Amino acid sequence: QKEVEQNSGPLSVPEGAIASLNCTYSDRGSQSFFWYRQYSGKSPELIMFIYSNGDKEDGRFTAQLNKASQYVSLLIRDSQPSDSATYLCAVAPIGGYQKVTFGTGTKLQVIP
Amino acid sequence: GAVVSQHPSWVICKSGTSVKIECRSLDFQATTMFWYRQFPKQSLMLMATSNEGSKATYEQGVEKDKFLINHASLTLSTLTVTSAHPEDSSFYICSARESGNQPQHFGDGTRLSIL
Repeated sequence: QKEVEQNSGPLSVPEGAIASLNCTYSDRGSQSFFWYRQYSGKSPELIMFIYSNGDKEDGRFTAQLNKASQYVSLLIRDSQPSDSATYLCAVAPIGGYQKVTFGTGTKLQVIP
Repeated sequence: GAVVSQHPSWVICKSGTSVKIECRSLDFQATTMFWYRQFPKQSLMLMATSNEGSKATYEQGVEKDKFLINHASLTLSTLTVTSAHPEDSSFYICSARESGNQPQHFGDGTRLSIL
């Protein structure tokens, strides 16, 4: 069974700090990796996606992928209270009709 | 870009009613659409995967005769909850994906309350 594991948290960080969210996955055939943010009562919103090993930066967000270790992370620099949400890691193999496997999410709390 | 429109956003209806939820990709063609259900403070639960022109693939434990999915075009999928009961009350969310390795983009969700 394909699994995506995340620490449920809550992860509490002070405002302005770096928040580090981690995700491990079991399927070595995984090729596509996504991070979503979900505010309470709302639907998920895509933050970043990454396909290759290494780092990918977009504004305050950096996604890091290590396929050898089956590990993907999301760093949020200069954390803001508005970043407080649940962050979902999602993993998929390449393929036209393959479904994405979501982790259960990590709740992030940014303390003002 | 990559906007997914879902409506209605809220439905309140009596037990036994059938409810249809629409999911549209507004600025891209979605080869695959997904339907999820989420109960309060719980994870997303995938209900079914829908490919344009094909029958939907339902996850284990999801009744296909109760949750009817139609994906008749590359921009529209519908979920019909037939003869809804209070236990069907939940937050239903659709997502759409253009191709295999592209991200899914989510609609805003439909909050369904069955009285």
